[in-house]
Amino acid sequence: GQSLEQPSEVTAVEGAIVQINCTYQTSGFYGLSWYQQHDGGAPTFLSYNALDGLEETGRFSSFLSRSDSYGYLLLQELQMKDSASYFCAVTGNTDKLIFGTGTRLQVFP
Amino acid sequence: KAGVTQTPRYLIKTRGQQVTLSCSPISGHRSVSWYQQTPGQGLQFLFEYFSETQRNKGNFPGRFSGRQFSNSRSEMNVSTLELGDSALYLCASSTRTGESEQYFGPGTRLTVT
Repeated sequence: GQSLEQPSEVTAVEGAIVQINCTYQTSGFYGLSWYQQHDGGAPTFLSYNALDGLEETGRFSSFLSRSDSYGYLLLQELQMKDSASYFCAVTGNTDKLIFGTGTRLQVFP
Repeated sequence: KAGVTQTPRYLIKTRGQQVTLSCSPISGHRSVSWYQQTPGQGLQFLFEYFSETQRNKGNFPGRFSGRQFSNSRSEMNVSTLELGDSALYLCASSTRTGESEQYFGPGTRLTVT
């Protein structure tokens, strides 16, 4: 089967850096994705890692270690608008996109 | 390019009734996936359709079903509603099956009383 674990909640202050971890178990791993969802909104795609290493997109970066079945999303220069839920998701040989339960990020001024 | 649309946005039903939700994908996208979102449970995969065929199914009872039309629009149906079916139902479209980058609609908020 497939399962993912991520912290339920993370808090930080504006301007800080926060890391949201995700560990996964899946058969035939293809890649790890991250999505952002604001309250009342639709999930939006942030990043995808298929290979080990760090992918940077502006203030957001995503990391993957296939050998450790682990990844993280790094948010830098936090802004109030980054307050949202963040989901990691894996794709494997079942061709399904399986989501974690989400991490709620609260950014304080 | 228009985004994914879902109708209706809100729905209130009573136990035992059935409901049909609709999803129109982004133009050119042939894959439509459905998810159920409840507090604390994340997004639970229901099923995925591509070219009018169900390609994948999650672990939901047979009361949950779906279909896809030739124009890629999709519907999902839930029969004999239970209180536990109250949730946000999201659909997402992509160009192919098993795509990591999916485009989500705003969802249909279903409340079962």
